[in-house]
Amino acid sequence: AQTVTQSQPEMSVQEAETVTLSCTYDTSENNYYLFWYKQPPSRQMILVIRQEAYKQQNATENRFSVNFQKAAKSFSLKISDSQLGDTAMYFCAFMKGPYSGAGSYQLTFGKGTKLSVIP
Amino acid sequence: GAVVSQHPSWVICKSGTSVKIECRSLDFQATTMFWYRQFPKQSLMLMATSNEGSKATYEQGVEKDKFLINHASLTLSTLTVTSAHPEDSSFYICSAREQGRLTNTEAFFGQGTRLTVV
Repeated sequence: AQTVTQSQPEMSVQEAETVTLSCTYDTSENNYYLFWYKQPPSRQMILVIRQEAYKQQNATENRFSVNFQKAAKSFSLKISDSQLGDTAMYFCAFMKGPYSGAGSYQLTFGKGTKLSVIP
Repeated sequence: GAVVSQHPSWVICKSGTSVKIECRSLDFQATTMFWYRQFPKQSLMLMATSNEGSKATYEQGVEKDKFLINHASLTLSTLTVTSAHPEDSSFYICSAREQGRLTNTEAFFGQGTRLTVV
């Protein structure tokens, strides 16, 4: 079974500053994907960024980037130029890839980090 | 992006009654849909995986007779909470995966349903 650990229940950052959210995971799988999801007060889950485990290059989406350390099983999210709209719960998630048998495509979530962006 | 619509957004029911929650993929066909439960200030816990035309697969500890899941078409899955009790009060979220794209790993989420049992 996979586990995802987010060790920071809450964080805050000044507007326009940079913040990094931590995530570690444990798995014996070789084919998997990692995600960061954002859940604003509306509770709608929004995909922020995705990383394929077989790719060494870190994923980037505009102000969001990840530091993927496969050997260390670490997957942190960096938010640059933080904006008020970034205030939300952030969940790190693990998914077994296709062809991985039972449980493929199922998401396992961490407990989340509540991020507050301060004006 | 693909849209998943969940209905109702919130519902209040009396203890002992049943409640049905619908999850629809509006612009794509969903081979697989997932149902999650989220307690206040906690993470999403997978309840079950439903595949169109077959029985749902429930996670350990989830009562399948209490949480009935039906995935009768490629665009609709329903979760029925039977004989609801106050401890069933929670936020329920569905997600769907597009049919026929094995390498498509993105899950599209509904907006969630807040269930309150009184």
